[in-house]
Amino acid sequence: AQTVTQSQPEMSVQEAETVTLSCTYDTSESDYYLFWYKQPPSRQMILVIRQEAYKQQNATENRFSVNFQKAAKSFSLKISDSQLGDAAMYFCAYRRGYSGGGADGLTFGKGTHLIIQP
Amino acid sequence: EAGVTQSPTHLIKTRGQQATLRCSPISGHTSVYWYQQALGLGLQFLLWYDEGEERNRGNFPPRFSGRQFPNYSSELNVNALELEDSALYLCASSLGLAGGYEQYFGPGTRLTVT
Repeated sequence: AQTVTQSQPEMSVQEAETVTLSCTYDTSESDYYLFWYKQPPSRQMILVIRQEAYKQQNATENRFSVNFQKAAKSFSLKISDSQLGDAAMYFCAYRRGYSGGGADGLTFGKGTHLIIQP
Repeated sequence: EAGVTQSPTHLIKTRGQQATLRCSPISGHTSVYWYQQALGLGLQFLLWYDEGEERNRGNFPPRFSGRQFPNYSSELNVNALELEDSALYLCASSLGLAGGYEQYFGPGTRLTVT
């Protein structure tokens, strides 16, 4: 079974600075997808960024980018120019692709609580 | 465009009762997923429905069940409620079977079992 590990329960960063959240995963599959979700205090889960395993290029969405190291099974999230609105729990998630064994639900890490210092 | 909606927002039940939670997906989405977010246990996958069929389920007992209706909305039923079923239940929807489709989440239903 696949597992997702987020080793940083909490991170703190100054507003406008850059922060990197770590995520590692374990899988024997070759077809899979990785996601970062954000959950602010309102509890609404919001998709931040997505990465296909077959793509070598790292995904980028505005101030958010990932460092996807497939061989190392690492998928970190970099947030540039941190803003107060970025404060939230961040979850790394894995999903097997539909080919092969078939897709299932998302497997989440335990989350990293990101604090933005003004 | 409306997002994923869930009802009720809060639900309070006593042990042994049954709870029914409802979810309406984004228009055009055929897949609905249910997740449990319990304190200390994190987010866990419960059930996945697509085109009216159960496609997969997580490691939960059979008293967690559900269904998907022809309009793609979904219902999660939890029978014989136990105290540890108290959690935030999140519903998500996506375009279909492909694993890469993003899942969009609703605001959740907070279930409290007393």
